[in-house]
Amino acid sequence: GAVVSQHPSWVICKSGTSVKIECRSLDFQATTMFWYRQFPKQSLMLMATSNEGSKATYEQGVEKDKFLINHASLTLSTLTVTSAHPEDSSFYICSARSGGLAGGPDTDTQYFGPGTRLTVL
Amino acid sequence: AQSVTQLGSHVSVSEGALVLLRCNYSSSVPPYLFWYVQYPNQGLQLLLKYTTGATLVKGINGFEAEFKKSETSFHLTKPSAHMSDAAEYFCAVSGPGSARQLTFGSGTQLTVLP
Repeated sequence: GAVVSQHPSWVICKSGTSVKIECRSLDFQATTMFWYRQFPKQSLMLMATSNEGSKATYEQGVEKDKFLINHASLTLSTLTVTSAHPEDSSFYICSARSGGLAGGPDTDTQYFGPGTRLTVL
Repeated sequence: AQSVTQLGSHVSVSEGALVLLRCNYSSSVPPYLFWYVQYPNQGLQLLLKYTTGATLVKGINGFEAEFKKSETSFHLTKPSAHMSDAAEYFCAVSGPGSARQLTFGSGTQLTVLP
């Protein structure tokens, strides 16, 4: 239980294009999803917190208009990197936290997706 | 505000030896503490967590950690290292409020020598 998927697992795009990354909770309903960015050999940096049906809360220094987050349902959140540039190349990881429904995973734990490697040429 | 310090960015142990990865935290509220493991080009897998109750927490793959409030520590141990334990390990503390955001340490790369 508590499986989170991400799609695609890797993507290469040209500078100036937009890329959408999907994060799905496969066997539980996630009222809260988180998006992280990880540079090589570094820790995870929280980009934003998204709650189903409401606007995402972005961390300081993260451009809202560049990293568009949509949490349209209890099992799906998307991150769109708009007008991507080489400096946006990174490993993007999502996580999901249960809303506490009966039979679901613990509400105090984030479950992580496998990550998406973005390379912008 | 919360923070996590992982002492030692790289730890090497011989196969069969004790694994000890150190984590100290700072939190203004009772913390929820986590250890995650990350294999190359993969997401994070939960090893174990402490929320309330028993301070010695057992996790998957033979790992365990002890919450020591007086020392503000949550060190991860395993009695006998396996080659498959080689990975990056992250300690994290959960924030207050309904969002329960995680603050991660900088990570410790564990190498297991044959």
